[in-house]
Amino acid sequence: ETGVTQTPRHLVMGMTNKKSLKCEQHLGHNAMYWYKQSAKKPLELMFVYSLEERVENNSVPSRFSPECPNSSHLFLHLHTLQPEDSALYLCASSQEVAGGPLETQYFGPGTRLLVL
Amino acid sequence: DAKTTQPTSMDCAEGRAANLPCNHSTISGNEYVYWYRQIHSQGPQYIIHGLKNNETNEMASLIITEDRKSSTLILPHATLRDTAVYYCIVRVRGNFGNEKLTFGTGTRLTIIP
Repeated sequence: ETGVTQTPRHLVMGMTNKKSLKCEQHLGHNAMYWYKQSAKKPLELMFVYSLEERVENNSVPSRFSPECPNSSHLFLHLHTLQPEDSALYLCASSQEVAGGPLETQYFGPGTRLLVL
Repeated sequence: DAKTTQPTSMDCAEGRAANLPCNHSTISGNEYVYWYRQIHSQGPQYIIHGLKNNETNEMASLIITEDRKSSTLILPHATLRDTAVYYCIVRVRGNFGNEKLTFGTGTRLTIIP
């Protein structure tokens, strides 16, 4: 257990559905991240939140919409996805200090998403 | 970001030391070397990190060459549970929010009974 939980662990959805992925961290961290891991491709950073504010959006399509209501929770809202969006979606958290060395990120177990 | 190069795959006998190499010849002076591993269908797990000196923790040892252009992760007594993909990552130092934890393709380590 890393202190980062994700639900659901598996999700199958059609291209017209709307669903949300949830991440919760129990580590008291101030930063949270969404990553995408497709088959046979490196891990890709999607979004970064610090103190509930988005600080990075890596050119992610608008059909992915993140939300960070507080420092412990992170959501990824999904709508009108494509089959190529099928992947493992990973959440991570860390405790960052502005201007300081970058701290260790701790990952959740991921949500395996299949878009039909 | 400094690029890293790792072998695609390695085998190691159970109970022996597993030595995983990583080349990062373009690393900058203030970039850290991080190692993560990912067991099948799970999230990446932090193992260890270092800047210049060798590091050891309960999971592994990290040996960084003096010129910092390469490093080796050592699992001293490999078990079957250590079978995973191991990622060597060099982290860009900068203000938070202006960095990327970039994972390459890693080394697939298989522990042989």
